[in-house]
Amino acid sequence: KAGVTQTPRYLIKTRGQQVTLSCSPISGHRSVSWYQQTPGQGLQFLFEYFSETQRNKGNFPGRFSGRQFSNSRSEMNVSTLELGDSALYLCASSLTGVDTEAFFGQGTRLTVV
Amino acid sequence: AQKVTQAQTEISVVEKEDVTLDCVYETRDTTYYLFWYKQPPSGELVFLIRRNSFDEQNEISGRYSWNFQKSTSSFNFTITASQVVDSAVYFCALSEWKGLGTYKYIFGTGTRLKVLA
Repeated sequence: KAGVTQTPRYLIKTRGQQVTLSCSPISGHRSVSWYQQTPGQGLQFLFEYFSETQRNKGNFPGRFSGRQFSNSRSEMNVSTLELGDSALYLCASSLTGVDTEAFFGQGTRLTVV
Repeated sequence: AQKVTQAQTEISVVEKEDVTLDCVYETRDTTYYLFWYKQPPSGELVFLIRRNSFDEQNEISGRYSWNFQKSTSSFNFTITASQVVDSAVYFCALSEWKGLGTYKYIFGTGTRLKVLA
């Protein structure tokens, strides 16, 4: 059974650019959630998508957005990148949401220069 | 306000010692979930346990055990006979369940556990 796949694994972008990260959940999982991890702010919840709809959102500016496709794959987009957006972005999939076990990908390491 | 405190930033133990990681939470809700995750050096989070606010029974899974006490708002995690492979950062998390699949979700700052051979 394939796990959660995040692409790319590493990314370097310039301030002001935008970036799209991808997450392929475990087959059959309908919930995909995204997290940002930085040394300063720690691990923070970004948002969750369930059946193509954003169901929950953390406290992040509108520059952070996402979407989910009919096959449950999800993308996260960050526009107008800032240096502070440099982080490890983790994606997790689960059957129905936070009330079930979540499986995480290895993350995308984004560096903004 | 919703808050998760992991006061232990880093703990070092010698292999085979028992170790307890503390987690104290704050919430005004009566319905919530508590979680523990492990983050090994590879980076991906590994789900360890989920406990809902109505289930105060302690849980044991192999060398791992969890003690949930609503009276002290704590959800502590104990590793018995620690092994080098237990070396990782451990996160405690709280989800306030708002119904209909909506929730607020926060993590503690993590405890780095080093198990020395």
